[in-house]
Amino acid sequence: DTAVSQTPKYLVTQMGNDKSIKCEQNLGHDTMYWYKQDSKKFLKIMFSYNNKELIINETVPNRFSPKSPDKAHLNLHINSLELGDSAVYFCASSGEQGLNEKLFFGSGTQLSVL
Amino acid sequence: DQQVKQNSPSLSVQEGRISILNCDYTNSMFDYFLWYKKYPAEGPTFLISISSIKDKNEDGRFTVFLNKSAKHLSLHIVPSQPGDSAVYFCAASPYTGGFKTIFGAGTRLFVKA
Repeated sequence: DTAVSQTPKYLVTQMGNDKSIKCEQNLGHDTMYWYKQDSKKFLKIMFSYNNKELIINETVPNRFSPKSPDKAHLNLHINSLELGDSAVYFCASSGEQGLNEKLFFGSGTQLSVL
Repeated sequence: DQQVKQNSPSLSVQEGRISILNCDYTNSMFDYFLWYKKYPAEGPTFLISISSIKDKNEDGRFTVFLNKSAKHLSLHIVPSQPGDSAVYFCAASPYTGGFKTIFGAGTRLFVKA
């Protein structure tokens, strides 16, 4: 039973399209995150939600909009996709209220924008 | 602005020998450090952590050392096994928490049988 699951695993789309990535965790955690792994392999935080409330919003374009319908779900919607959005996106969760958190990651969504 | 740096992109070690992965950080606000392991097509998984009040933490074959004055930490794997071949990410978070963990770029470890 997967702890943090995200779908789809692979997403290939054209520039200008709108796409969503879904994430769900069954760990009972209060905090969820989206990380982006770019071409240089850095994992960079994009957003953090705690109990459905946005806590961190890094310098991410407005085309990226996270939505948390409940604390077990954090979806990522991306409008007007650009070539530079191609990356691997990881969802994660933690249960430590953001302090010294150990993160549990999903398996990633590889987004390719053509 | 790389606050967490892993300067070795890759490391190759013979099975049974010690693997030493290094990590440097620049932000004095970091007080909790973690190592994650990542296999291809999977997400990173937590391996071991250390608080800034300690200088060593051990878990089986894995030991993390922290040198606060040098802002340096290292992960030792002894003995190394082929199954340890993966990408290892160093990560750090500040004492204020803030729901923010900063990751390094990772070091790919190859353990040769």
